[in-house]
Amino acid sequence: TQLLEQSPQFLSIQEGENLTVYCNSSSVFSSLQWYRQEPGEGPVLLVTVVTGGEVKKLKRLTFQFGDARKDSSLHITAAQPGDTGLYLCAGAGTYKYIFGTGTRLKVLA
Amino acid sequence: GAGVSQSPRYKVAKRGQDVALRCDPISGHVSLFWYQQALGQGPEFLTYFQNEAQLDKSGLPSDRFFAERPEGSVSTLKIQRTQQEDSAVYLCASSLLLPSGRVGSGANVLTFGAGSRLTVL
Repeated sequence: TQLLEQSPQFLSIQEGENLTVYCNSSSVFSSLQWYRQEPGEGPVLLVTVVTGGEVKKLKRLTFQFGDARKDSSLHITAAQPGDTGLYLCAGAGTYKYIFGTGTRLKVLA
Repeated sequence: GAGVSQSPRYKVAKRGQDVALRCDPISGHVSLFWYQQALGQGPEFLTYFQNEAQLDKSGLPSDRFFAERPEGSVSTLKIQRTQQEDSAVYLCASSLLLPSGRVGSGANVLTFGAGSRLTVL
């Protein structure tokens, strides 16, 4: 069974602080995606990383795929209240995406 | 349609009742997925359809759960004799291709519906 563990599970920070969310697995994935989910809605894709060692930036968000394609990280610089939500990583299998355990982020103004 | 539509948004069932949850994916999307999500947790895979073929149902928790997509578009997830542990949000997602197809092209990006929240009393 492929499992994706995210850490931390919960994070409450002040506006302007930086943070990093980790997504770890013992399995290799062909690609990995990061999603953000807000209450009452489905997850929305933020980014897809494909190549080991790949780094992608999306405004204040930086995503990295591990060299061995087993882990990934999401770094947010100068967090804002609008970043509040549930962050999910998802690894691609043949017929499914395996989602991580989730990191709930709350950014206080 | 422009997005993935799920209905009903909220369903309250008495234990033992049967429920049916509907998913209307984006037109032309080959892949359709059902996930179960507990509060504050990541979605758990239930089943996958490629057009009308159910290629993976390994995540269905018991034989009380049944899913179909008879014409390769709309899908229905049916839960028979509901139990309290079935209470969750059921998410449907669709994508143009299957997960391993043209990785990074955007064609295998999941678009989710807003979910159906099932509460079993």
